[in-house]
Amino acid sequence: GENVEQHPSTLSVQEGDSAVIKCTYSDSASNYFPWYKQELGKRPQLIIDIRSNVGEKKDQRIAVTLNKTAKHFSLHITETQPEDSAVYFCAAGRSGNTPLVFGKGTRLSVIA
Amino acid sequence: GAVVSQHPSRVICKSGTSVKIECRSLDFQATTMFWYRQFPKKSLMLMATSNEGSKATYEQGVEKDKFLINHASLTLSTLTVTSAHPEDSSFYICSAGEYYGYTFGSGTRLTVV
Repeated sequence: GENVEQHPSTLSVQEGDSAVIKCTYSDSASNYFPWYKQELGKRPQLIIDIRSNVGEKKDQRIAVTLNKTAKHFSLHITETQPEDSAVYFCAAGRSGNTPLVFGKGTRLSVIA
Repeated sequence: GAVVSQHPSRVICKSGTSVKIECRSLDFQATTMFWYRQFPKKSLMLMATSNEGSKATYEQGVEKDKFLINHASLTLSTLTVTSAHPEDSSFYICSAGEYYGYTFGSGTRLTVV
């Protein structure tokens, strides 16, 4: 089955700096790669996703890149703000009837 | 967009009792529902996959007799934690899988005392 590795587990950055979180996956059949932000006690919130037919996607300060050959994808947050502080999870799956498999999460702290 | 309504959001129960968690898909039909469990400061771990009208598929290490899953209709899937113990205290969350993505319920925080 699918296995998703996520690094780093914790990340501290100064406000305004960029943050990068990296994930690798094992199942070459996976074609959907979402990123979730989770605040304490709440459900994961989808912040951006990418499908395997695209190499990069950007939404304002957030971008995701995908390298299918190497089976890795990354989340980039630019101009970080204190409200970006949360736990971020990457996941991999195939849309439809197969479940998402999550990475272990990255606790991002943005220091003002 | 698609919405999955999950109830209850929080529940406290005594050891030995059972708790039912419901997930309803609103405005769409969820043929497949995934159930996850999340312990504090941990990731979401898949417990089981439920398909409407058939038996659920459980992940390795998840007791099917303890975590009863029913997916009797295209809009309702339930997870019942039977004979709950303190170690079952966790955050449980469902997710409906669709062609274009996945929709999560709001989660249920279960505390067993």
